[in-house]
Amino acid sequence: QSALTQPASVSGSPGQSITISCTGTSSDVGGYDFVSWYQQHPGKAPKLLIYDVSNRPSGVSDRFSGSKSGNTASLTISGLQAEDEADYYCTSYTTSSTFWVFGGGTNLTVL
Amino acid sequence: QVQLQESGPGLVKPSGTLSLTCAVSGGSISSSYWWSWVRQPPGKGLEWIGEIYHSGNTKYNPSLKSRVTISVDQSKNHFSLKLTSVTAADTAVYYCARRISAAYWYFDLWGRGTLVTVSS
Repeated sequence: QSALTQPASVSGSPGQSITISCTGTSSDVGGYDFVSWYQQHPGKAPKLLIYDVSNRPSGVSDRFSGSKSGNTASLTISGLQAEDEADYYCTSYTTSSTFWVFGGGTNLTVL
Repeated sequence: QVQLQESGPGLVKPSGTLSLTCAVSGGSISSSYWWSWVRQPPGKGLEWIGEIYHSGNTKYNPSLKSRVTISVDQSKNHFSLKLTSVTAADTAVYYCARRISAAYWYFDLWGRGTLVTVSS
């Protein structure tokens, strides 16, 4: 069982918006603005999409945005495109001895 | 453009030692980065194994700490992972990744990953 809880799957049609949630505790997501999101296509390495809750690295489309409320962080993808079909993982710093916690991943299907 | 490349045996026998290296190209491993290992069992999520600074300071996942050693070789510009007493549960794709500094908690660069299977 992963330390951060994500829905196993979400889906949406091209052009729509979807949101993926990532729920933790006050020891990780709720206590620090160190949530990051990664996109992983099959057989590929994870790619950084969002860091520090809502910041986008250079080169990442502004269709991807992040936010946080309490112990839950969210990734929103607007204007869904076929190439957005992938797995998405959240991670956070944690005060536990593991330092890092990951979500179990969410599979996005573009219908 | 900095790149990371994992290498090592793709098959390890049960009870043996898994050894992997991550070569850093296009930049120096002695910069102010932390270098990590992360693994992903087939069909499952990501698990952080541990990380190292170029000075040799390390942090490990407590669930693996008794079996893991991460080391750095500045002269070869690479860092390495050793995992002892492996079992089938250690079968995974192993990634190396970079964290830009101790103040930042995200991985901005990843290797392509290498599959390690534990089997006799």
